[in-house]
Amino acid sequence: KAGVTQTPRYLIKTRGQQVTLSCSPISGHRSVSWYQQTPGQGLQFLFEYFSETQRNKGNFPGRFSGRQFSNSRSEMNVSTLELGDSALYLCASSTGLAGYNEQFFGPGTRLTVL
Amino acid sequence: AQSVTQLGSHVSVSEGALVLLRCNYSSSVPPYLFWYVQYPNQGLQLLLKYTSAATLVKGINGFEAEFKKSETSFHLTKPSAHMSDAAEYFCAVSPGANDYKLSFGAGTTVTVRA
Repeated sequence: KAGVTQTPRYLIKTRGQQVTLSCSPISGHRSVSWYQQTPGQGLQFLFEYFSETQRNKGNFPGRFSGRQFSNSRSEMNVSTLELGDSALYLCASSTGLAGYNEQFFGPGTRLTVL
Repeated sequence: AQSVTQLGSHVSVSEGALVLLRCNYSSSVPPYLFWYVQYPNQGLQLLLKYTSAATLVKGINGFEAEFKKSETSFHLTKPSAHMSDAAEYFCAVSPGANDYKLSFGAGTTVTVRA
C-alpha cells in the first residue's frame, strides 16, 4: 500500500507570495491532518479534514487555509507569506474514525520563505 | 487543554545501553498517548500507542512504554540501544476518541555512541 505523499518536497518563496501544498493520503483514509514543524515552536496542529469537511482547526491565522477533495486528497494554502512561515509542513492521514487511530505521516514539504 | 512534556531535549547513550525517554502528560480525562520517531529529512513514524487496553505497550524496533496514571507518565524505553536508534522522538497526546488532533511534546534527540 502506498504511503502518504506530499508535493512538492521543497519550495522556496519570497515574502508576500502565496503557496499551495498538496497531500495524497493512503488509499481508503478519509482524514487528513496538517502540522507545521519549526525548530522554535515544534510540531503544531494546523487543521484536520474528514470527508471534505474541516473538523478541527489549530491556532493559526486566517492566512492558513486548506481543503479536501472528494478523493480525500488535500491541499493547504498559505497567503501573504512571512519569514516565520518557513517550516516543514507535514501531512498525516488516518481512517478518521476515532482519535486513537494511528496517523500516518508523509515526508513533508520544506518551505523556505526569503 | 491536554499537553505533554518531554524531559530532556537531548539524550546520549552508548550502543547496547538502556534508552529511557521521559514523557509526562496533563489531561483531565484518560488520554490516548503515542510515541513517534523522526529520522532526518523524513516524516514521523509511529512507534507505539496507548489506548487504555494495557498499561505496558510494546512497539516496533524493540521499544516499549508504560502508562502510569498515578504519575501521569508514559516513558519510552529500549533495553539495548542500536546505532539505528539515533533519531528524534516525540511523545503526543490525543484527548479523546472524538478529538482528532495530536498535541506533541518538544521532542528528544537521541544520539548513540559506538
